[in-house]
Amino acid sequence: GIQVEQSPPDLILQEGANSTLRCNFSDSVNNLQWFHQNPWGQLINLFYIPSGTKQNGRLSATTVATERYSLLYISSSQTTDSGVYFCAVDFKETSGSRLTFGEGTQLTVNP
Amino acid sequence: GAGVSQTPSNKVTEKGKYVELRCDPISGHTALYWYRQSLGQGPEFLIYFQGTGAADDSGLPNDRFFAVRPEGSVSTLKIQRTERGDSAVYLCASSYHRESGYTFGSGTRLTVV
Repeated sequence: GIQVEQSPPDLILQEGANSTLRCNFSDSVNNLQWFHQNPWGQLINLFYIPSGTKQNGRLSATTVATERYSLLYISSSQTTDSGVYFCAVDFKETSGSRLTFGEGTQLTVNP
Repeated sequence: GAGVSQTPSNKVTEKGKYVELRCDPISGHTALYWYRQSLGQGPEFLIYFQGTGAADDSGLPNDRFFAVRPEGSVSTLKIQRTERGDSAVYLCASSYHRESGYTFGSGTRLTVV
């Protein structure tokens, strides 16, 4: 069946370090989004990135749709980056009706 | 409004009771989605509206769950005869059209005791 797999499941960093989060998906996609869920539970949209590369400040993302993966880069991490990062995919098979979420990467940035 | 608004933010109810959860999407967003998130997991799809109609309700777990969007804007998720297993955070999202990015609300944390 259609799947979204994220790695690593947990990541602990010192403030200032860089990190790469990975999302593998099992089928062709219309849409891929990266979200940050903060400690209060709010899901914040980071990137809408079905293909290509985007950058927003210290964050950037790359999706290679033909190879079915996406990467989220966090540079010069800050304690406020802590939380869970989700990759969510709108597969062509269920076009437009839903996002399928991965299990998330729990990021902890220590001061 | 500026964002997706969900009310109440928290709801505690007794097993067997009926609850309604409300979602007010971003103005002009035609697509609306309900998700449910259990502790330690990613959100899971419940139902998708395009305008007033439920275009895909295949994620609703059983017939105790029902959702409406009568005027194509505000949506209400209704749960009958609540069970302890229904306890979760219920998230609503909207988008301008089905192939654009989603914006999520802050969720309603439902606790069934």
